[in-house]
Amino acid sequence: EAQVTQNPRYLITVTGKKLTVTCSQNMNHEYMSWYRQDPGLGLRQIYYSMNVEVTDKGDVPEGYKVSRKEKRNFPLILESPSPNQTSLYFCASSPPGRTTYEQYFGPGTRLTVT
Amino acid sequence: AQTVTQSQPEMSVQEAETVTLSCTYDTSESDYYLFWYKQPPSRQMILVIRQEAYKQQNATENRFSVNFQKAAKSFSLKISDSQLGDAAMYFCAYRSADDFGNEKLTFGTGTRLTIIP
Repeated sequence: EAQVTQNPRYLITVTGKKLTVTCSQNMNHEYMSWYRQDPGLGLRQIYYSMNVEVTDKGDVPEGYKVSRKEKRNFPLILESPSPNQTSLYFCASSPPGRTTYEQYFGPGTRLTVT
Repeated sequence: AQTVTQSQPEMSVQEAETVTLSCTYDTSESDYYLFWYKQPPSRQMILVIRQEAYKQQNATENRFSVNFQKAAKSFSLKISDSQLGDAAMYFCAYRSADDFGNEKLTFGTGTRLTIIP
């Protein structure tokens, strides 16, 4: 089944404890992206990657890191999480050729930083 | 930078009735794509309908249709024969048609739709 997966789905952590949220897609998509969703703000892009080893900042990159060593994986790293990073996180990917312009979303990761 | 505005934080409709969700956007581009996404309590983002800006004809998907007014930069979603399963948060989103840049979706703040039995 074609899908985007994220792990973990739920995470409660403490301030300053490094964490990684994994994202993987099995559709050979070149483009991948991370968004965060906050009440009253909608979804905002954190980082994106147009291909392996090609990443760039989105609108709200502060406090986050990413890497793209393999085409299928695009992990989101929080080196020193803070309470203002408590949010719902989505990974998304797009098919090559931009024929449909649709983005496929993962199921979301609910992160709470205390 | 593009912006997307959803001015209705919450809407409600009687089951089987019709409801329209509003969305306006601001852009200086002439070619772009607009989307409506549905987010049910499961939190999954589900694509409802897509509109290409170069197409004059409004997109339709079963009970869902849009009213795309390019000059007014308006993109409303009409849900006909509302069903209990339509209850969700609905997000309007914009994407540039630039094939060589960031494929970012710019989202509105969402409209929470409640279906009254």
